[in-house]
Amino acid sequence: QVQLQGSGPGLVKPSGTLSLTCAVSGDSNSSSNWWSWIRQPPGKGLEWIGEIYHSGSTNYNPSLKSRVTISVDKSKNQFSLKLASVTAADTAVYYCASGSYASFDSWGQGTLVTVSS
Amino acid sequence: SSELTQDPAVSVALGQTVRITCQGDSLRSYYASWYQQKPGQAPVLVIYGKNNRPSGIPDRFSGSSSGNTASLTITGAQAEDEADYYCSSRDSSGNHPWVFGGGTKVTVL
Repeated sequence: QVQLQGSGPGLVKPSGTLSLTCAVSGDSNSSSNWWSWIRQPPGKGLEWIGEIYHSGSTNYNPSLKSRVTISVDKSKNQFSLKLASVTAADTAVYYCASGSYASFDSWGQGTLVTVSS
Repeated sequence: SSELTQDPAVSVALGQTVRITCQGDSLRSYYASWYQQKPGQAPVLVIYGKNNRPSGIPDRFSGSSSGNTASLTITGAQAEDEADYYCSSRDSSGNHPWVFGGGTKVTVL
């Protein structure tokens, strides 16, 4: 099973861009070919943001698609999230996750990102 | 896009059985996966596919599905099973994005 470690700024200004990175380590032969970002506003449920396949193809939540970019850097064993034009509604714990087409097998520890001036 | 609906909260006596349900049109095409989340922690996969448990998940957790409803059953609930449980599946429309249920808070009495 893979291990995931998310990192990035914990505070972003309104209208700015949220940028997070997830470092991947562990079983390189696992079936975790899909890499996702999922967020959870304080006290609320989970919301899927988007995913990237190991080939580089992406798929985004339609409600966030216009603001989201997910990319992968295989040489560094990491994948990244950029969310543009953030507002207070984007304040959440952001999780990176990996798995197959059918489930999220492994999760990072979560990064709290607060949008505030 | 599709939605997945869960009851907000259920309670179960210690050692008894509890079933958590998840309803949505996408479940007619895709199996649900289930995640357990304890306060301050990341979610953990407990059930995926037809009824599969990842390594380390106790066999008191089981899953089933019928029509547009998926269920997670905890048989012989333990105190450590008190948590929020989320279902998730691929959406059957568009590029098949993921959708999550709103979560069910399980209290073990």
